[in-house]
Amino acid sequence: GQNIDQPTEMTATEGAIVQINCTYQTSGFNGLFWYQQHAGEAPTFLSYNVLDGLEEKGRFSSFLSRSKGYSYLLLKELQMKDSASYLCAVGQTGANNLFFGTGTRLTVIP
Amino acid sequence: DAMVIQNPRYQVTQFGKPVTLSCSQTLNHNVMYWYQQKSSQAPKLLFHYYDKDFNNEADTPDNFQSRRPNTSFCFLDIRSPGLGDAAMYLCATSSGTSGGEGYEQYFGPGTRLTVT
Repeated sequence: GQNIDQPTEMTATEGAIVQINCTYQTSGFNGLFWYQQHAGEAPTFLSYNVLDGLEEKGRFSSFLSRSKGYSYLLLKELQMKDSASYLCAVGQTGANNLFFGTGTRLTVIP
Repeated sequence: DAMVIQNPRYQVTQFGKPVTLSCSQTLNHNVMYWYQQKSSQAPKLLFHYYDKDFNNEADTPDNFQSRRPNTSFCFLDIRSPGLGDAAMYLCATSSGTSGGEGYEQYFGPGTRLTVT
């Protein structure tokens, strides 16, 4: 089976940097995704990692360590609009679906 | 723009009265998914179609059914909604091609279902 752990809530200050961690256990790992979901809206794709290392995309970066079953999403220069839930999801070899974590609700304060 | 469309955005139904939610996509993706998401919870996969092949999750209640008449459309039928079925229902698509990025899912805006 699969298991994904993320912190439930985090708070950070506008302009700061925040790191959201995700640990996972799965058989047949086939990539890790981060999605952003604003309240009442659909998740939107942020990043994808399948190999170890850091992927950078503007203010957002995502890191993966397959041996540790660990990923993090790094948000720099936080803006108020970054207040949202951040969902970690893993793909499984041979399956067409993703398994989602419960998400981390990030609140950005002035 | 290629996209995933869900109608309606808000649906109110009565306890026990069948309801159908619809999803369409212009991405020409092979795979379509239906998720149920309750407040502060992860999206829960109900089922998905790979082309015409239907894949039901083991814990999806029989009360939930789905149809995919063609590549573009997929429907979620709730035969006898209960109060516990009130949730956001998300439709998503993916290309389904080999390689991890084929699993990237594109979500529609969701339909929020209220059961009275």
